[in-house]
Amino acid sequence: KNEVEQSPQNLTAQEGEFITINCSYSVGISALHWLQQHPGGGIVSLFMLSSGKKKHGRLIATINIQEKHSSLHITASHPRDSAVYICAVLFSGGSNYKLTFGKGTLLTVNP
Amino acid sequence: NAGVTQTPKFQVLKTGQSMTLQCAQDMNHEYMSWYRQDPGMGLRLIHYSVGAGITDQGEVPNGYNVSRSTTEDFPLRLLSAAPSQTSVYFCASSYSSSPNVLTFGAGSRLTVL
Repeated sequence: KNEVEQSPQNLTAQEGEFITINCSYSVGISALHWLQQHPGGGIVSLFMLSSGKKKHGRLIATINIQEKHSSLHITASHPRDSAVYICAVLFSGGSNYKLTFGKGTLLTVNP
Repeated sequence: NAGVTQTPKFQVLKTGQSMTLQCAQDMNHEYMSWYRQDPGMGLRLIHYSVGAGITDQGEVPNGYNVSRSTTEDFPLRLLSAAPSQTSVYFCASSYSSSPNVLTFGAGSRLTVL
């Protein structure tokens, strides 16, 4: 079965720290999504990427196709970044209805 | 505001009752989908649609029904609610079913007693 593994499950940081959340998957992919979910809130798409690197503000997403691994980085973290971050993978040849979701990483940023 | 609108945000049902979760989008997206989110598990696809009049089952379709009579609306029906359907439900849409950014609704928290 195609799988998506996220690490760590939980992450606590102090304001200003550099954060890295990891996502590993088992076979080749068409695309990878990073999503953000605030406590009790909706889900927001942060990035969709299939190669290289994307940046939006303090958020950076990278993907290494050969190593089947993606990272989400947050620079100068802030308490408002506290949320669950979810990796979702579209395995090769799939459509959006074939997305496989990781279980999420709960990030808490303390002031 | 453009986006995906889900109603209701909260609902409590008794076992055996039926109800409909509404989902509407105003972005002219062809692809729409319903997910459920349970503690300790990733989002799981219930049903999806690639266009008006076309629906298909996802990973966990049992106990749920959908229809897509217009591009904008994709309601999810619970036919006879069971405690196992207690969950948070998300509707999501995208321009097409090929790899595309998804736009999610705010979620509907359902409790079945």
